[in-house]
Amino acid sequence: NAGVTQTPKFRVLKTGQSMTLLCAQDMNHEYMYWYRQDPGMGLRLIHYSVGEGTTAKGEVPDGYNVSRLKKQNFLLGLESAAPSQTSVYFCASSRVYEQYFGPGTRLTVT
Amino acid sequence: QQQVKQSPQSLIVQKGGISIINCAYENTAFDYFPWYQQFPGKGPALLIAIRPDVSEKKEGRFTISFNKSAKQFSLHIMDSQPGDSATYFCAAWVGAGSYQLTFGKGTKLSVIP
Repeated sequence: NAGVTQTPKFRVLKTGQSMTLLCAQDMNHEYMYWYRQDPGMGLRLIHYSVGEGTTAKGEVPDGYNVSRLKKQNFLLGLESAAPSQTSVYFCASSRVYEQYFGPGTRLTVT
Repeated sequence: QQQVKQSPQSLIVQKGGISIINCAYENTAFDYFPWYQQFPGKGPALLIAIRPDVSEKKEGRFTISFNKSAKQFSLHIMDSQPGDSATYFCAAWVGAGSYQLTFGKGTKLSVIP
């Protein structure tokens, strides 16, 4: 099992550009999450999904959109990137409590 | 907002010593308390977890102590090793109806030889 995988690993965007981060899990988990990690801020929840076709806002949802068209995939979109969105993004999945994290995507917005 | 407060922000321990990281919470509805370990360039990984009906849980050199009345829990790393150098996050989960973990801000542990 690959667990949770994230694509891409690194990306540099210019302000105003758009991109989509892909998360895939092969553990048949119902719940999936997107976090951002910034120095001194810990992990902050952006959006999450409790099942295929459902999404909900987390703590810091502004500027991001998500979709969960298939149970195994959870996409995070940035429609118009801003320098404040420079961060490391982690996807996670869980059956209930125990969240399994992907390796992260380092995004820089210039 | 539900919060988990973690301290210290950073910790330096000599090899063989005991590392102690503390967390405090306010929401008494939290009913699951995991600790995550994160190495540089990697995603967080579940290390150990406890429920509030248990006062202590031990797995190898890692122990969670839980004080329900004080609303505090802590991670103890016995015989700390340089390979334990990482960032540690405590977290808390509200049970029924919630699907989210609330994380502390992390503690960067450095174990020096």
